[in-house]
Amino acid sequence: QVQLQESGPGLVKPSQTLSLTCTVSGGSISSGIYYWSWIRQPAGKGLEWIGRLFTSGSTNYNPSLKRRVTMSVDSSRNQFSLKLSSVTAADTAVYYCARGDYGEYYFDYWGQGTLVTVSS
Amino acid sequence: DIQMTQSPSSLSASVGDRVTITCQASRDISNYLNWYQQKPGKAPKLLISYASNLETGVPSRFSGSGSGTDFTLTITSLQPEDIATYYCQHYDNLPMYTFGQGTKLEIK
Repeated sequence: QVQLQESGPGLVKPSQTLSLTCTVSGGSISSGIYYWSWIRQPAGKGLEWIGRLFTSGSTNYNPSLKRRVTMSVDSSRNQFSLKLSSVTAADTAVYYCARGDYGEYYFDYWGQGTLVTVSS
Repeated sequence: DIQMTQSPSSLSASVGDRVTITCQASRDISNYLNWYQQKPGKAPKLLISYASNLETGVPSRFSGSGSGTDFTLTITSLQPEDIATYYCQHYDNLPMYTFGQGTKLEIK
């Protein structure tokens, strides 16, 4: 059974960079038939896709966040990561990592989510 | 960009009721529409893919239908454990994954 677990600081100061890691267990992140995404949800609001990463290193980002987002993979640790720069209070949200099946258009496994608050 | 509009935004129903949630796309998306259930404090869970394909382990009281621009999620007999917020989701080739704004389902 695949499991995903987010980790990282729960508090980030405005203008700084938010950094999160997702650790995948129960399967190899490098299997090649999956892609890996970050999705966020402000309190009481809906879901916003941030971006996706293939283990080849190829990435796609939400156009609204593209200039601030970087995603990368560490296959040796079975992890992938998110960096979001120049954060503001509007970036306060629960951040989820999720898995997608290559060739499919949905997310079948999700992490439990981690709350990141942007505040001084 | 394709916009996904869910209705209603909230819904109160009794145990045993038939519940219908709709999702409308701003243009034809064929059957590229997925449904998720999110219980309070939990991650979303995939219920239905490609508009009508029930995921393994999802109770048969859940069903999805539709194609083109109009889609429906139906719960035939509402159970207390179905209390959640439901989201539709579409993928297009930008690429971009777009979620509806959600429908919060409560027990009357």
